[in-house]
Amino acid sequence: EPEVTQTPSHQVTQMGQEVILRCVPISNHLYFYWYRQILGQKVEFLVSFYNNEISEKSEIFDDQFSVERPDGSNFTLKIRSTKLEDSAMYFCASHRDSGANVLTFGAGSRLTVL
Amino acid sequence: AQSVTQLDSQVPVFEEAPVELRCNYSSSVSVYLFWYVQYPNQGLQLLLKYLSGSTLVESINGFEAEFNKSQTSFHLRKPSVHISDTAEYFCAVSEGGSEKLVFGKGTKLTVNP
Repeated sequence: EPEVTQTPSHQVTQMGQEVILRCVPISNHLYFYWYRQILGQKVEFLVSFYNNEISEKSEIFDDQFSVERPDGSNFTLKIRSTKLEDSAMYFCASHRDSGANVLTFGAGSRLTVL
Repeated sequence: AQSVTQLDSQVPVFEEAPVELRCNYSSSVSVYLFWYVQYPNQGLQLLLKYLSGSTLVESINGFEAEFNKSQTSFHLRKPSVHISDTAEYFCAVSEGGSEKLVFGKGTKLTVNP
């Protein structure tokens, strides 16, 4: 069964450093998402991406965050200057068709900011 | 604004017992409803969904959920659980046409022998 693949599975970084989390969505999917889950809290929507541009973003997704689909297969989330409160599990998701929101999620990347 | 409440953070049960994981939502418009399951060290997997039509939806592994519009609930049930059902279960909602899923905090189901 096709999978959404995320790397790294765990990254530890110092506060203020840049981090890039990578995702390979399912190959025929067109809609891409990032969600995050701070330990003990809800899974939260960050951003959706379609046709090479952001289609929706939450208030969490401020200027420190950016997304990119650099080569037609990878979908990346960059955090420019990490803060302690960015420590979380970040989930990538994708789906093929608009509307029904039946997402396929990756296993997540755990980010720890020290 | 949408919100999802899963009242039980942890539910321990014995194998072969029935279980109900509760989910309530708030929304002023029509919604799509989902249950996702996360097994240890894995991603979120879709368990079942309600988009329209019959209010009772079923998964292939024996779970079912019923959309109750008057009570704004979408509780997940299984009549007899297995040890392999041990996982965290997330209820989620999206307003029709929205790109965004709003999740509950999750319920950890532990099935003991």
